[in-house]
Amino acid sequence: GAGVSQSPSNKVTEKGKDVELRCDPISGHTALYWYRQSLGQGLEFLIYFQGNSAPDKSGLPSDRFSAERTGGSVSTLTIQRTQQEDSAVYLCASSLGLAGVETQYFGPGTRLLVL
Amino acid sequence: AQSVTQLGSHVSVSEGALVLLRCNYSSSVPPYLFWYVQYPNQGLQLLLKYTTGATLVKGINGFEAEFKKSETSFHLTKPSAHMSDAAEYFCAVSEGTGGYQKVTFGIGTKLQVIP
Repeated sequence: GAGVSQSPSNKVTEKGKDVELRCDPISGHTALYWYRQSLGQGLEFLIYFQGNSAPDKSGLPSDRFSAERTGGSVSTLTIQRTQQEDSAVYLCASSLGLAGVETQYFGPGTRLLVL
Repeated sequence: AQSVTQLGSHVSVSEGALVLLRCNYSSSVPPYLFWYVQYPNQGLQLLLKYTTGATLVKGINGFEAEFKKSETSFHLTKPSAHMSDAAEYFCAVSEGTGGYQKVTFGIGTKLQVIP
């Protein structure tokens, strides 16, 4: 079946512009995660959605970052007034969202370059 | 708070040699432990995970890892490296509280396999 998809695969933008990154989770997965992978860094947790519950935004690095999830499926991560330090690979993952330990299924990521 | 330390951001082995990627964790409760692999230009995929029970966990592609509580370690091994094993490997820990599985990833270890 279809895995997690992300778009665009690559995005080049100018400093100060806004960008939107999209994630389509696996159908039926109620849990969705966003991570940021910077050069030489591990995966940095950004935000977590579970069903209709309030999202865990504790990982968002600044108020320029926001995310929403419409209809419990597709999610959009928005970065306003981008800075060069925002350049990274943004990964989305989804899981079933049931209690207990679950495997997260990752998308291929969006590579963002801020000039 | 949970954390993960991966020793060695780059590891090189000869084809056919033993692969050993080190991971130590910190957790205030019994942890869930994972190894993920990221092939070039692809998303992360689960190699193996430890939840409870048997401390030696076998995963895909001949990899295995052993949970050693006394050493707070979860090292990844493979008896004989193959060229196709060249990738980046991430160790991760989760305290899995309730239905929310917040996962903390290490910085990753890039494995190079030399012919």
